[in-house]
Amino acid sequence: DGGITQSPKYLFRKEGQNVTLSCEQNLNHDAMYWYRQDPGQGLRLIYYSQIVNDFQKGDIAEGYSVSREKKESFPLTVTSAQKNPTAFYLCASSIEPLGAGYNEQFFGPGTRLTVL
Amino acid sequence: GQQVMQIPQYQHVQEGEDFTTYCNSSTTLSNIQWYKQRPGGHPVFLIQLVKSGEVKKQKRLTFQFGEAKKNSSLHITATQTTDVGTYFCVPSGSARQLTFGSGTQLTVLP
Repeated sequence: DGGITQSPKYLFRKEGQNVTLSCEQNLNHDAMYWYRQDPGQGLRLIYYSQIVNDFQKGDIAEGYSVSREKKESFPLTVTSAQKNPTAFYLCASSIEPLGAGYNEQFFGPGTRLTVL
Repeated sequence: GQQVMQIPQYQHVQEGEDFTTYCNSSTTLSNIQWYKQRPGGHPVFLIQLVKSGEVKKQKRLTFQFGEAKKNSSLHITATQTTDVGTYFCVPSGSARQLTFGSGTQLTVLP
């Protein structure tokens, strides 16, 4: 059963702690993305990766870090430098990278992070 | 990244009424994608439009891409409660970043 998994679904952390959100895909997609969504808002791009061992900052990368050591995995670390980390985090992947002709994004179920 | 204005931001309709959301860009778009996000869920891809003047239908949903490739619309005929959610239009096909705006939040009253 192919798809994107994100774990956990809900995550609680104390202020000042770093936290890593998991994103795994078995779709053999080259590109992966991380978005943040605040209540009633659209999605804002945090980071994206078009190929293994390469990633680019999105619109709101400050306070976040990523790695792409394997094609199927793109973990996101929310650091203590992120001023307002409580949000809904969505991971996505597409078979082709940005700039290609067709790059439908497949989304995971998301992780709701609450920082207390 | 490329941005589009989507209107309206909110729409309440009675079940059975039609619904339309519009996306407008000041620049020519390569492609445009449409996504739907149910309350509490994640966005799901609906369609991609590529050609100038393109019209595509999916059952009660009709998608259009303007002749100048600067605007697009999604029309739902005879809405049902299952249509509830937020609809996003997203410019794509560019080397620049994908941008999801605030979308149009549709409420269908039974």
